[in-house]
This record gives sequence, structure tokens and C-alpha cells, in this order.
Amino acid sequence: KAGVTQTPRYLIKTRGQQVTLSCSPISGHRSVSWYQQTPGQGLQFLFEYFSETQRNKGNFPGRFSGRQFSNSRSEMNVSTLELGDSALYLCASSLQTSQETQYFGPGTRLLVL
Amino acid sequence: ILNVEQSPQSLHVQEGDSTNFTCSFPSSNFYALHWYRWETAKSPEALFVMTLNGDEKKKGRISATLNTKEGYSYLYIKGSQPEDSATYLCASFSGTYKYIFGTGTRLKVLA
Repeated sequence: KAGVTQTPRYLIKTRGQQVTLSCSPISGHRSVSWYQQTPGQGLQFLFEYFSETQRNKGNFPGRFSGRQFSNSRSEMNVSTLELGDSALYLCASSLQTSQETQYFGPGTRLLVL
Repeated sequence: ILNVEQSPQSLHVQEGDSTNFTCSFPSSNFYALHWYRWETAKSPEALFVMTLNGDEKKKGRISATLNTKEGYSYLYIKGSQPEDSATYLCASFSGTYKYIFGTGTRLKVLA
């Protein structure tokens, strides 16, 4: 089975721009979660999608949004980028819920200048 | 506690030593505790998903225990090898605080 894939792997943007990141889960997995990793904060939960619906949300501002398509692929969007949004963004998929074993993708490293 | 805390932050051990780490998490509305192993330049890899008080799980030389009443989990590595060098993360899933990761224990095994 193919693993979780994320595109793009690296991205450079400037402040005020917006960005869309993509995540394709393992075939058959319906839950997709997104995480942000910064040096000072560690891994932080952004949100979880299941059956095209946001099921859980972390404590991030409304500039961070996501969606899930009928094939379980998910996108994450960050609008009005700030310097502090520079981070590694990881997505993870699991069969039904994020409480089960999660399989992580390689991440997208975003640099905001 | 409201955060997930891991100790120690980092650890250097000699090849062949056994070692253990601690993860402390909020015990209210507990659903599950996950342990991950994260090697540099790779994705986090799930080690264990633990849900029941008293759970003990084992995978090769690595094992973990769970105490949901007092809110802690231990991860043990027996006979550490250089390939065990990684950051070990725990994450707590609860109804109240959602999914919270600890900042990890960075293990370096010296040959």
C-alpha cells in the first residue's frame, strides 16, 4: 500500500499571501488530521477531517482552514500568512478516527518571508 | 495537569543499556495515549496506541505501560542500539483537551 503523501514538500511564500497544502491518505483511510511543528512549540494539532466533515479542531486562528474531498484527500489552507506560520506541516491518516494508529506523511516545510 | 509532559528532554546512553522515559498527561476524559518514534528527516512512526488502564504493549525491545488514573505512561527500551536513536513522542487524546503532543524525549545511543 502506498503511504501518506503530501505536496508540495517545500514552499516559500511572503507575508500576506495564502497557501494550500495537499494530503493524500493511505487507501481506505477516512480520517485525516493536520499538525504544525515549530521548534519552540513541538507538534500541535490543527484539525481532523472525516467523511468530508471537520470532526475536531485545535486552537488555531480562523486563517487556518481545511477541507476533505469524497476520496478522503484533504487540503489545508492558510490565508494572510505571517512569519510565525513558518513550520513543518504534517498530515496523518487513520482508518476511522485519530484515536487509532495514525500514519504520517513526510510533511510540507513552509517558509514565510 | 493540562499539558502533556515528557521527561527527560534528552538522553545519551551506551549501546546495550536499557532506558525508560515518562509521559504525563491529563487524566480527565481520557480516550487514548499514543507513542511515536521520530527519526531525523523521516515521518513520525506509530509505536503504540494505548487505551485501557494497566495496558502493557510490546514491540521487539520496546514496551510501554499506561496508568490512566494517575495520568502517566512509561516507555522502556531494552538493550538500546544505535538505530534506536530518535525522538520519542507521546500524545494524549481526550474529550476535553483534544489531541496534545508532548515535546518529546531525544534519545542518542552511543556505539
